[in-house]
Amino acid sequence: ELKVEQNPLFLSMQEEKNYTIYCNYSTTSDRLYWYRQDPGKSLESLFVLLSNGAVKQEGRLMASLDTKARLSTLHITAAVHDLSATYFCPGGSQGNLIFGKGTKLSVKP
Amino acid sequence: DAGVIQSPRHEVTEMGQEVTLRCKPISGHDYLFWYRQTMMRGLELLIYFNNNVPIDDSGMPEDRFSAKMPNASFSTLKIQPSEPRDSAVYFCAGGQGTGELFFGEGSRLTVL
Repeated sequence: ELKVEQNPLFLSMQEEKNYTIYCNYSTTSDRLYWYRQDPGKSLESLFVLLSNGAVKQEGRLMASLDTKARLSTLHITAAVHDLSATYFCPGGSQGNLIFGKGTKLSVKP
Repeated sequence: DAGVIQSPRHEVTEMGQEVTLRCKPISGHDYLFWYRQTMMRGLELLIYFNNNVPIDDSGMPEDRFSAKMPNASFSTLKIQPSEPRDSAVYFCAGGQGTGELFFGEGSRLTVL
């Protein structure tokens, strides 16, 4: 069964600096997603990565997928307070999306 | 479209009572998922439906939990009898087969 390991689990970021968070998968996943969750809120879809080498960017966030390495990364450029949230990178097939523990990001001035 | 609608948003009940959570998915989404989120266990898939048919309920904790989807626009998750360890946020999510899911706002359940 697929297991998703995220690291770090907690990341305190300084404004305007760059950071990367990582998602490792125990087995090959044919698709990979990134979601954001604000405290007490629902999950919001950020990116869908469907193939090896896929890269998606939105604002200060860029996600990539390396299926051979079973790794996805989320790169944050010039962190700002609005990015403070918990980020998840579930993987799996259509019917069984497996979530990791999430990475809680906190941006401090 | 209003998105995935869940009710109630908050429920506080006593141990042993029956709890029914409701979900109205986005029109046209033929997959519907029920997830549970707790601090200890994170997000767990409980059950999912495709075209109103339950496909995988292996995540349902025990017989006290049941889920139905009588039509494409409505699903329920029932807990009977409820226990304090069932306290969690229950999310309903839907999708069209691409795998990308659209989540509701969740139902926060507290069982005393």
